[in-house]
Amino acid sequence: NAGVTQTPKFQVLKTGQSMTLQCAQDMNHEYMSWYRQDPGMGLRLIHYSVGAGITDQGEVPNGYNVSRSTTEDFPLRLLSAAPSQTSVYFCASSYSSTGTYGYTFGSGTRLTVV
Amino acid sequence: KNEVEQSPQNLTAQEGEFITINCSYSVGISALHWLQQHPGGGIVSLFMLSSGKKKHGRLIATINIQEKHSSLHITASHPRDSAVYICAAPPPNTGNQFYFGTGTSLTVIP
Repeated sequence: NAGVTQTPKFQVLKTGQSMTLQCAQDMNHEYMSWYRQDPGMGLRLIHYSVGAGITDQGEVPNGYNVSRSTTEDFPLRLLSAAPSQTSVYFCASSYSSTGTYGYTFGSGTRLTVV
Repeated sequence: KNEVEQSPQNLTAQEGEFITINCSYSVGISALHWLQQHPGGGIVSLFMLSSGKKKHGRLIATINIQEKHSSLHITASHPRDSAVYICAAPPPNTGNQFYFGTGTSLTVIP
C-alpha cells in the first residue's frame, strides 16, 4: 500500500546511545519532514527536506541529523540520545510545500530514552 | 505566541451531539489542514481547505481566509469520533514548514 513507512514503532535507548529512525515513502513526494510530538506542545518540526540532497532545520533540530540521498528515504539520526528526546516521532511527506495534494503521516515511532 | 490557536482544548459530548472545533491563525496562508489522531495512533489528514467548505461523511470543514478562521464540525457524533483534532497551516514559501495547533481532545460518550 502506498504511504509513509516508519520503523521501528517502539524503541528504548540508554542515554548516550545513537540510533536512526527510518522513514520511507513510495508516492514520489518531494517534501518530507520529521516532527516530534510531546504532551501539551503539539507537533514540532525537527528537520525537513524539499527534495533529494536538500535538507534544512526546523524548530527543534539540536541533537538530530538528517540526510536525503533518495526521494524515497529520509532517515533521522539521534547522535547521542538524551532523556529530553523521549517523544513520539512522526515522519510526513507531501507532493507540494503546502500539502495541496495531500499530506501523509507515518504511524509514528515511540522513543524512550532512559 | 502560537501562530495557530485552537479551541476548545478539551471537549466532551454525548453521542449524537453536533460538535464544533475552532481554529484561528495569524499567519498568511494559502491552505489549512485538519488532522485526526486517535489515542496511541497515527495522524490522518482529514481535509485540506483553501476556501469555502468541504464535507466528508459527517465531517464538515469551513474556512474564512479573510477572517483567518476555520471550523471543523461533526454532525451526529459517535464514540468512534473520539480523537485529537489538529489544525495545521503551511505559510507560503517556507519549504514544508507547518504551524500546528496544540489540538482539541474530543471524547464522545455513548
